Amino acid sequence: SAVISQKPSRDICQRGTSLTIQCQVDSQVTMMFWYRQQPGQSLTLIATANQGSEATYESGFVIDKFPISRPNLTFSTLTVSNMSPEDSSIYLCSVVQGGRTGELFFGEGSRLTVL
Amino acid sequence: GENVEQHPSTLSVQEGDSAVIKCTYSDSASNYFPWYKQELGKRPQLIIDIRSNVGEKKDQRIAVTLNKTAKHFSLHITETQPEDSAVYFCAGEHAGKSTFGDGTTLTVKP
Repeated sequence: SAVISQKPSRDICQRGTSLTIQCQVDSQVTMMFWYRQQPGQSLTLIATANQGSEATYESGFVIDKFPISRPNLTFSTLTVSNMSPEDSSIYLCSVVQGGRTGELFFGEGSRLTVL
Repeated sequence: GENVEQHPSTLSVQEGDSAVIKCTYSDSASNYFPWYKQELGKRPQLIIDIRSNVGEKKDQRIAVTLNKTAKHFSLHITETQPEDSAVYFCAGEHAGKSTFGDGTTLTVKP
C-alpha cells in the first residue's frame, strides 16, 4: 500500500494569510486528489492534482482560493489562500495506487484552524 | 455528477449484534463502491469494496451487497465488537473520482 506523508499535520493560522500543505508519496501514482473534511462531516473532493498541468477543480472550489501544484508523480501541494474561519478543516491528500481506479489511500491529514 | 446518500447517520448496537448501513447512488456509470472506516482522529481506511460486475463480497465478518438495478449497496457487519465503533463512509467512483456518503457513526456497546 502507498505511504503518504503530509505536512504540516496541524496549524493555527491568522485570517487573511495563506498556508501550503505538502503531500509526498513513496511511489509514483497517476491519480492524486485533495479532499476537505470539515468537523464531523464527510469528505468533499476539492480537486484532482494533474501532473504537469492545471488541477481539475470540483464545483464550488476555484484555483485562486486553492492553488495546487503537482510537479511529478510523487508530490503535490495544496495552498489555502486568504484564509477565513470557514476554512478551518482537515485537508487530506489521497492517491490511487497502480492505476486510475480503485482504493484510495489517504495521508494523515492537515488540520487547519483559522482564527 | 454523482450523488451518494447514506443511512442511517448514527447506529448503536449491542456487542455481538449485526449492523447494516445502506447507500444509494445516482450515476449509473459508477462502477466501484468502496467502504471506508474512520476512527476518531485517524485517516479513512478501506475495509471492503465491490465492483459493478459483482453482486456480493464477503471478508470474514464484513460483507457488501450491490444492486445495480436499484442503485444501492449495503455494508453488513456481523458479530460486532467494540473495536468496530467508528465512522463508516460509503463511496461511488466513476472515472477515477470518488463521491462519499455523509457517513454513519457506529457505536458498539459492550
